[in-house]
Amino acid sequence: AQSVTQLGSHVSVSEGALVLLRCNYSSSVPPYLFWYVQYPNQGLQLLLKYTTGATLVKGINGFEAEFKKSETSFHLTKPSAHMSDAAEYFCAVTDPYSGGGADGLTFGKGTHLIIQP
Amino acid sequence: DARVTQTPRHKVTEMGQEVTMRCQPILGHNTVFWYRQTMMQGLELLAYFRNRAPLDDSGMPKDRFSAEMPDATLATLKIQPSEPRDSAVYFCASGDPPNNYGYTFGSGTRLTVV
Repeated sequence: AQSVTQLGSHVSVSEGALVLLRCNYSSSVPPYLFWYVQYPNQGLQLLLKYTTGATLVKGINGFEAEFKKSETSFHLTKPSAHMSDAAEYFCAVTDPYSGGGADGLTFGKGTHLIIQP
Repeated sequence: DARVTQTPRHKVTEMGQEVTMRCQPILGHNTVFWYRQTMMQGLELLAYFRNRAPLDDSGMPKDRFSAEMPDATLATLKIQPSEPRDSAVYFCASGDPPNNYGYTFGSGTRLTVV
């Protein structure tokens, strides 16, 4: 079974400051990892994903994340926060080796990012 | 950009009524998921299909929920009878694993059962 833990249900940063959203996973096999963003009253939008290859992955809107197997982590960062980054962020994991790779995503509880002017 | 389309966007219904939610996945995607989002439980996987065949619906209350995919352009989620505890946002997502991981979500159906 897989699980995702997102530390901090709410994170507040000042505009222009570093954004760091934490995600740790539990998986018995090397997982595929994802970050999604959800703006109010909208669906989830894929920010970035790690499947194989380079462990530092870059996504949209200036976000990036690094897969660290030894730490079972996939933290999301952005060097400089913008007001438009205020949203809910979800980390997710899937096992590419079961269900033909179509087992769906297991999501964390989400982190609400607040940007202070 | 290709989109996953969900209808209706909002639905208010009385307890005991049947509710049908519809989803048009992205053309060519072979896998369709139904998720439910609530404040208490977060995002829960209800059911999913691959090449229109149901793969897993263990996340659904079997006595009242049913999911079908009558053709490649339509997936449905039905609740009969609906209960107040079913109030949530229901999302459909589609993808094309193993060719491409990164599922595309629809905007959701916000269901309120009174």
